[in-house]
Amino acid sequence: GESVGLHLPTLSVQEGDNSIINCAYSNSASDYFIWYKQESGKGPQFIIDIRSNMDKRQGQRVTVLLNKTVKHLSLQIAATQPGDSAVYFCAGNQAGTALIFGKGTTLSVSS
Amino acid sequence: EADIYQTPRYLVIGTGKKITLECSQTMGHDKMYWYQQDPGMELHLIHYSYGVNSTEKGDLSSESTVSRIRTEHFPLTLESARPSHTSQYLCASSGEEGRSYNEQFFGPGTRLTVL
Repeated sequence: GESVGLHLPTLSVQEGDNSIINCAYSNSASDYFIWYKQESGKGPQFIIDIRSNMDKRQGQRVTVLLNKTVKHLSLQIAATQPGDSAVYFCAGNQAGTALIFGKGTTLSVSS
Repeated sequence: EADIYQTPRYLVIGTGKKITLECSQTMGHDKMYWYQQDPGMELHLIHYSYGVNSTEKGDLSSESTVSRIRTEHFPLTLESARPSHTSQYLCASSGEEGRSYNEQFFGPGTRLTVL
């Protein structure tokens, strides 16, 4: 079945640095891969998604890279800010079905 | 701020009780979802719905039921609560016009404790 997971449970960076959060997946049948951010005490919030036939997609301060050869997904956050501190989840989707979430990575940004 | 609401926010209840967690959204979204999440852990899909009178089971559905009689309302019922049900329950919806179905809007969650 679908399995989506992250490499590291925690990541600590300095304010202004770039952050890279990684995710590995097992099911190549996913049509989309998605990143969510969850702040303490809140529900997850959509960041960006990427269709499985794409290698890269950019948003505001974020870039998602997809390497289908090694089944690897990453989220890059440029100029990380304290407000980026949260738990980040990757998820996989197949068209018409719900999301399968992986384990999260806690990003801590220090000033 | 998404217009999706969950009640109650916190619930402490005894074993064996029947409980219903409420979820409502005012965005007119056709898809709705229930997830269970333990602190710091991933979300597990319990149930989802593609629209009125449509419900599907997720990975953790065996001990709960849902209904979708109205577009905006998607309640989750536990027939007999057990301590293993202690967790946070998150409701979400998607189907915003012009946006991907992958963009789910989440409610604030219900934190359930079963004694």
